[in-house]
Amino acid sequence: QPVLTQPPSVSGAPGQRVTISCTGSSSNIGAGYGVHWYQVLPGTAPKLLIYNNNSRPSGVPDRFSGSKSGTSASLAITGLQAEDEADYYCQSYDRSLSGSRVFGGGTKLTVL
Amino acid sequence: QVQLVQSGAEVKKPGASVKVYCKASGYTYTSYFIDWVRQAPGQGLEWLGKINPNDDSTLYAQKFQGRVTMTRDTSTSTVYMELSSLRSEDTAVYYCARSYSTASSLDYWGQGTLVTVSS
Repeated sequence: QPVLTQPPSVSGAPGQRVTISCTGSSSNIGAGYGVHWYQVLPGTAPKLLIYNNNSRPSGVPDRFSGSKSGTSASLAITGLQAEDEADYYCQSYDRSLSGSRVFGGGTKLTVL
Repeated sequence: QVQLVQSGAEVKKPGASVKVYCKASGYTYTSYFIDWVRQAPGQGLEWLGKINPNDDSTLYAQKFQGRVTMTRDTSTSTVYMELSSLRSEDTAVYYCARSYSTASSLDYWGQGTLVTVSS
């Protein structure tokens, strides 16, 4: 079972806004560690989308944004586009697991 | 530009070992960790561990301790990940990725190496 909990799937029509949640605990997200988000397109390596809760790497459109509160975090995608259809994973650090990085189970985004 | 180039696909029998490499370029090799993450077919991302190329120190996920070994060759800016006692559940794409610190993101990724375990 993944340490971080994500919904298995979300969907939205082009142009709409969707959010993906990521729920952790007091030993990871709730302990103040940063949450990072990755986009995985079919057959490709993961791509960093959001780091440290709400920062975007160079080249990532501002349609993607992140937030964090307490033991949870969220990824929001506005102005949904067909090419956004992918799997999205959150990741953080867990101090109770000997310093392990932990991932969410992933969320499949379908653009209707 | 930052690049992580991995070795090619492997097919192994149950009980065997596999060694995958990850060659780094475009940045100061000893200034970043190299992490290993895998994705089994239809499954999510799973962290195996990391190595600090600067001092060869390693940290492995509890699940893989005793079965995984990460090493580095500073002369060629290459990191190796060896997984032993392979079973069918180890069939996955294995990725190397760069990280700046223990809790930081994985900002650059290799292209992935498919390891298939089959009798």
